[in-house]
Amino acid sequence: AQRVTQPEKLLSVFKGAPVELKCNYSYSGSPELFWYVQYSRQRLQLLLRHISRESIKGFTADLNKGETSFHLKKPFAQEEDSAMYYCALSEMNRDDKIIFGKGTRLHILP
Amino acid sequence: DVKVTQSSRYLVKRTGEKVFLECVQDMDHENMFWYRQDPGLGLRLIYFSYDVKMKEKGDIPEGYSVSREKKERFSLILESASTNQTSMYLCASSRDAGEQYFGPGTRLTVT
Repeated sequence: AQRVTQPEKLLSVFKGAPVELKCNYSYSGSPELFWYVQYSRQRLQLLLRHISRESIKGFTADLNKGETSFHLKKPFAQEEDSAMYYCALSEMNRDDKIIFGKGTRLHILP
Repeated sequence: DVKVTQSSRYLVKRTGEKVFLECVQDMDHENMFWYRQDPGLGLRLIYFSYDVKMKEKGDIPEGYSVSREKKERFSLILESASTNQTSMYLCASSRDAGEQYFGPGTRLTVT
């Protein structure tokens, strides 16, 4: 069965330090991977998706099919990056559901 | 700008009550979803709908039902609320298997 795993429930990083939020998935087909973010008192929203290959708010994520990973990275953390981050997977060419990981809370220390 | 609205931000109900959570989207999206969000458990899909009058069970449909009589509106119904249904409920919509747009959430407390 398809699954998205985020091994860290909480990640604390000092401001200015690099950030890496881990995401691993299990899926035999061709998945589309996403990162969603929820800032305090705001609604959940898309941060980035692997097919767009964009850098959003300094974040990037590369799909590694060999390691079945889609880690989210930022070279220099900022305080406004503190939020809940969810990795998610969509099964392309099947239905339109998205499977979410359990989330990682990123806490940026001053 | 896509707008997904939910009828209530906070709701307090008693055990055994029938509860209706309403969700409306204004972007003519075919797909609509109901999730519950719990600390440590992430987002769990309750029900989703691909079209009017169509519904599909998600991962945790027990104790819930849904209704989609119009394309823009997707309702979640708790037939007989129980304390273990205390949670944050999120509605979302999408055009396809890509980005989902979320509402602000309804925090439901069942006492």
